[in-house]
Amino acid sequence: GAVVSQHPSWVICKSGTSVKIECRSLDFQATTMFWYRQFPKQSLMLMATSNEGSKATYEQGVEKDKFLINHASLTLSTLTVTSAHPEDSSFYICSATGHLNSPLHFGNGTRLTVT
Amino acid sequence: KQEVTQIPAALSVPEGENLVLNCSFTDSAIYNLQWFRQDPGKGLTSLLLIQSSQREQTSGRLNASLDKSSGRSTLYIAASQPGDSATYLCAVRKGETSGSRLTFGEGTQLTVNP
Repeated sequence: GAVVSQHPSWVICKSGTSVKIECRSLDFQATTMFWYRQFPKQSLMLMATSNEGSKATYEQGVEKDKFLINHASLTLSTLTVTSAHPEDSSFYICSATGHLNSPLHFGNGTRLTVT
Repeated sequence: KQEVTQIPAALSVPEGENLVLNCSFTDSAIYNLQWFRQDPGKGLTSLLLIQSSQREQTSGRLNASLDKSSGRSTLYIAASQPGDSATYLCAVRKGETSGSRLTFGEGTQLTVNP
């Protein structure tokens, strides 16, 4: 089945530094990738939608200058958390889809801890 | 605005029991509905995808039904096992483009006791 690889699975960084998270579709071309954030015991909150070769569409309340998304190819999207603060600590999950009738596949998530 | 509700929020059953998880959505104009499983600290694993024109999908011990007109879906798990313990999420997709987002429910946390 389709596989989405997300890296790193966990990262600890100091406040003020930037962290890049990669999301790759391994066996299909992902025309669209979604980035989510999940707080403990809560459902997923959509942060942004990215289409290959175009700018990401951010959800209301999500700072695009803080959460930089790049979808440079049909198999790779990256999320960079810039100038991270402790309140950015969370579980970030990406998902990818190929054509419309196929399921949405998720990466295994990245646990970010900002100290 | 689409709202997705899952009931119950948590469920604990003995091993071997058959169980039903419920999902309801307020806007019946959906393109498809997907059930996912999430283990603690992990991403989501797709279980079943039901297109709006379909009534049900089956995979092994799992059966998902969809009644679009009433805004409901159920996930039936037969002969539950401890390994089924996880959070189950349903999500509906509205639009017909690949960029159309999913709206998720809050999930049902299932515990199957040996």
